[in-house]
Amino acid sequence: NAGVTQTPKFQVLKTGQSMTLQCAQDMNHEYMSWYRQDPGMGLRLIHYSVGAGITDQGEVPNGYNVSRSTTEDFPLRLLSAAPSQTSVYFCASSWRGANTGELFFGEGSRLTVL
Amino acid sequence: DAKTTQPTSMDCAEGRAANLPCNHSTISGNEYVYWYRQIHSQGPQYIIHGLKNNETNEMASLIITEDRKSSTLILPHATLRDTAVYYCIVRVGTRGANNLFFGTGTRLTVIP
Repeated sequence: NAGVTQTPKFQVLKTGQSMTLQCAQDMNHEYMSWYRQDPGMGLRLIHYSVGAGITDQGEVPNGYNVSRSTTEDFPLRLLSAAPSQTSVYFCASSWRGANTGELFFGEGSRLTVL
Repeated sequence: DAKTTQPTSMDCAEGRAANLPCNHSTISGNEYVYWYRQIHSQGPQYIIHGLKNNETNEMASLIITEDRKSSTLILPHATLRDTAVYYCIVRVGTRGANNLFFGTGTRLTVIP
């Protein structure tokens, strides 16, 4: 019973490098999303998806790309990392609809950009 | 989108009930109230949600006022493991998306 799995858990990048944060869920959820959390702040929505082939921007999408080729996976790509992207990233999933109930979160990926 | 207002921090004695208030005066009729908590730097954990009726589960109770402008999360017997940041969220979902807006929440400290 894996739930939402994020990899890697920790990553250090240099400015300008690219990388992909992986997120996978095994609950057949249509909805998946990425949040970032900076110190002392709440989570902010980056991108989300309501199903395979469908993605949309959240509150802070600049500097990030996503795709949703399968129901299970929702990778987050940083094309050219910047120090401002140093943060903890959380992936989440749930059913979609008006009353979707619980949003399941992964354990987080801690990214440092030097 | 409805926003929420929560106290920055609260303390509660171990074994006592923790009552966490939340104001959401601009909530619309079809928006749900959700509560999540975040322990240390872990991913947020769902606690409970409701529309207009009071709700109870194994973790907590949610009391929503009749006018829906405020709510209270009740942890009936707080333990040290309940020390966390608690987020009150009004769901803003569009096109079936479960998008949640997280504010800064209430930091609850359970004191031995």
